[in-house]
Amino acid sequence: QVRLQESGPGLVKPSGTLSLACDVSGGSLSSDNKWSWVRQPPGKGLEWIGEIHHSGTTSYNPSLNSRVTISVDKSKRQFSLRLSSVTAADTAVYLCARVAGTPRPFSIHSYYYMDVWGKGTTVTVSS
Amino acid sequence: EIVLTQSPGTLSLSPGERATLSCRASQSLTSSYLNWYQLHPGQAPRLLIYGASNRASGVPDRFSGSGSGTDFTLTINSLAPEDFAVYFCQYYGASPTWTFGRGTKVEIK
Repeated sequence: QVRLQESGPGLVKPSGTLSLACDVSGGSLSSDNKWSWVRQPPGKGLEWIGEIHHSGTTSYNPSLNSRVTISVDKSKRQFSLRLSSVTAADTAVYLCARVAGTPRPFSIHSYYYMDVWGKGTTVTVSS
Repeated sequence: EIVLTQSPGTLSLSPGERATLSCRASQSLTSSYLNWYQLHPGQAPRLLIYGASNRASGVPDRFSGSGSGTDFTLTINSLAPEDFAVYFCQYYGASPTWTFGRGTKVEIK
């Protein structure tokens, strides 16, 4: 059973860089899945940050694109998030998730969803 | 950009009652890419429904999803104590790749 666990500093200074890791256990990062980061600011809904395939292919939310880097380290069994030039607006619970797909009947396309999640880690941006 | 509007923001119900949660999109969606999740504070989100109406593995059959176009519904028949939580709808689209609704909180009346 795949499990995900986020880790990283809980406090980051304004204008600094937020760095988080998501440890993957019970499964392979090299499976045909994508690995995603999502965040939830206090009192707000979920916001997708970006995702990565084990091949290194990435996709980012355009609203954060210029500040986000997601990478994967198969030797450490983890994928990571870096968010630069942070402000108080980046204060949130950050969650990692696995993106999976299931073939759709009578279709060349698949269903896509996030089937495994970490519990999240709180990051506060403050001096 | 697709916007998902969930209503109501909060639903106050008693155990055993039926919950009906709405997720309305700003434009017509491919229903195959509409998912629902349950979130308890401090816990990992749980996938409930994928493709608008398919229950994820291990999800009780009191949960059901329906809808098409711009209107989607998550129904919870006979609320169990563990069902009081926040529910999010999600869409797999073009840009951004994933969009979430702001959530509906189902609380004990």
